[in-house]
Amino acid sequence: DAMVIQNPRYQVTQFGKPVTLSCSQTLNHNVMYWYQQKSSQAPKLLFHYYDKDFNNEADTPDNFQSRRPNTSFCFLDIRSPGLGDAAMYLCATSGRDRFYSPLHFGNGTRLTVT
Amino acid sequence: AQSVTQLDSQVPVFEEAPVELRCNYSSSVSVYLFWYVQYPNQGLQLLLKYLSGSTLVKGINGFEAEFNKSQTSFHLRKPSVHISDTAEYFCAVSDKDSWGKLQFGAGTQVVVTP
Repeated sequence: DAMVIQNPRYQVTQFGKPVTLSCSQTLNHNVMYWYQQKSSQAPKLLFHYYDKDFNNEADTPDNFQSRRPNTSFCFLDIRSPGLGDAAMYLCATSGRDRFYSPLHFGNGTRLTVT
Repeated sequence: AQSVTQLDSQVPVFEEAPVELRCNYSSSVSVYLFWYVQYPNQGLQLLLKYLSGSTLVKGINGFEAEFNKSQTSFHLRKPSVHISDTAEYFCAVSDKDSWGKLQFGAGTQVVVTP
């Protein structure tokens, strides 16, 4: 089945130690999103790619970066994680007709910062 | 700018009873509306969407929602819930100018008991 896959499901990192989360998709969607969801809160968009065009949300901290080397893969890099960055990180994709294509989410990566 | 208000943070309901989850939105432009469900430690799954046309929208797992433009509401209903419907439910809004980006409500936790 076509899907959005996030690895790892659970990630533990130390305060200040860089960490990378990965997302892959078999849907061949051209738009990929990264959302941050803190405990008991709504998901919040960090940034998205439309093909290779990167679009950062205005309030996304500089500590968060992203890479999309090809259509199938997208990475979220947290350069110096703080305790406040502990959250579920959700990757999502949508198709070319983005106004009518609902988002398909992966199962998320839960990040713990110690 | 858009915003979404989910009026109930938690809704307890008995098995086989009906449930309604309330969602109100504000937007200065035409909107697309969505309901997503999130099971524990999983990503979000689309239940249903309103893009245009009929204001009564049917989704998966027996859920339906009604778009009411005059009341700026998009309430979700199910006539008879199962234990397996225990989950977090998110209402979300998007519009043509936001590239499919979703603004989520704070979520409603549905707890179904026997």
